[in-house]
Amino acid sequence: DTGVSQDPRHKITKRGQNVTFRCDPISEHNRLYWYRQTLGQGPEFLTYFQNEAQLEKSRLLSDRFSAERPKGSFSTLEIQRTEQGDSAMYLCASSFFAGGSYNEQFFGPGTRLTVL
Amino acid sequence: AQSVTQLGSHVSVSEGALVLLRCNYSSSVPPYLFWYVQYPNQGLQLLLKYTTGATLVKGINGFEAEFKKSETSFHLTKPSAHMSDAAEYFCAVSLTGNQFYFGTGTSLTVIP
Repeated sequence: DTGVSQDPRHKITKRGQNVTFRCDPISEHNRLYWYRQTLGQGPEFLTYFQNEAQLEKSRLLSDRFSAERPKGSFSTLEIQRTEQGDSAMYLCASSFFAGGSYNEQFFGPGTRLTVL
Repeated sequence: AQSVTQLGSHVSVSEGALVLLRCNYSSSVPPYLFWYVQYPNQGLQLLLKYTTGATLVKGINGFEAEFKKSETSFHLTKPSAHMSDAAEYFCAVSLTGNQFYFGTGTSLTVIP
């Protein structure tokens, strides 16, 4: 399967702990996106990368959140000092941007975070 | 500012009946519009999209949607519901094709 993969699929942690999620995009895709989805809501944009450059961040992305894509391939999303409000599904998507104004995003299955 | 409103968080239809899921958008300029489907424990899958051109867009699994600028709507339809259509459906809008704004979703139940 050459789709977007995310690891882990589920994470349970205690409040105050740090967690890190990984996303592996479709191999030829140069853009990578992170979203957060809470119960009963649609995905909310967090940030996106083009290659290794982080081009846009939502104001939802507090100082406790950091994302990296060091080699322009996989990406990590770290949450420091987790809070119960961080409990959500974290979705990753990737796309191939070749100029123009639209590029289809392909989503991974998500990482479900539960903060106790 | 861009946003979408999905009317009806839960919709139930009988198998074989028409499916109509409503989406209205708010945007200062004509946006890109999308419908995604999400099955349990799976990622979002693109059903169809409107970028430019023909306002009636056909997607996968027999779904289609019509972009109506005068009504700022992009409703999703399927003539005959199938049991396998039961899922969560999300409408999304984007001005740039990069940052997407999703609606709150509509859960579709198909009654045998």
